[in-house]
Amino acid sequence: AQKVTQAQTEISVVEKEDVTLDCVYETRDTTYYLFWYKQPPSGELVFLIRRNSFDEQNEISGRYSWNFQKSTSSFNFTITASQVVDSAVYFCALSDENRDDKIIFGKGTRLHILP
Amino acid sequence: DTEVTQTPKHLVMGMTNKKSLKCEQHMGHRAMYWYKQKAKKPPELMFVYSYEKLSINESVPSRFSPECPNSSLLNLHLHALQPEDSALYLCASSQGTGGPTYEQYFGPGTRLTVT
Repeated sequence: AQKVTQAQTEISVVEKEDVTLDCVYETRDTTYYLFWYKQPPSGELVFLIRRNSFDEQNEISGRYSWNFQKSTSSFNFTITASQVVDSAVYFCALSDENRDDKIIFGKGTRLHILP
Repeated sequence: DTEVTQTPKHLVMGMTNKKSLKCEQHMGHRAMYWYKQKAKKPPELMFVYSYEKLSINESVPSRFSPECPNSSLLNLHLHALQPEDSALYLCASSQGTGGPTYEQYFGPGTRLTVT
């Protein structure tokens, strides 16, 4: 069955430290899509990245980077030199096997950046 | 412009009231979504509209009634709700369906309290 596992429920780091959020997924599809979303305390989910299963290149966007490894079914997210504004809940998500208009969210990782 | 707007931001209603949540996007997206999110949980899909037609109803109770008047607007009509329906209601839109799974852009949500 399809699944997205974010094993880290909550993480706290001191500002300027690097932090990696783990995401492991399960799917029978050969073509699938992975996503990361950020949900700050205000509540709005902010789209961060979409990656398709054929593109294993790592992605960097400013202080954010993503490591996609099909061999381990993981799509991990690293924040470099963390800032207090990075405090949020981060969700990893996976496209549904049966419907292209649906995504399956992990349970989320709550990240606290301490000043 | 990747903005999805939702009104109202907060809503308090009694169990006998009828109210509506509104969502609007001007990105030319052809798919729109309603999610319900309880505290410390991931968003839970309720409905999907694709090209203004209801394509997914995740077995949502009939006291929630969605409506898509046109491709930019999505409403959620509420009637005879229960206190357990109190949650953050999120609207989202995406480029479309019927092919790859596209990223969804979320609105800020409506925080609903049922008394």
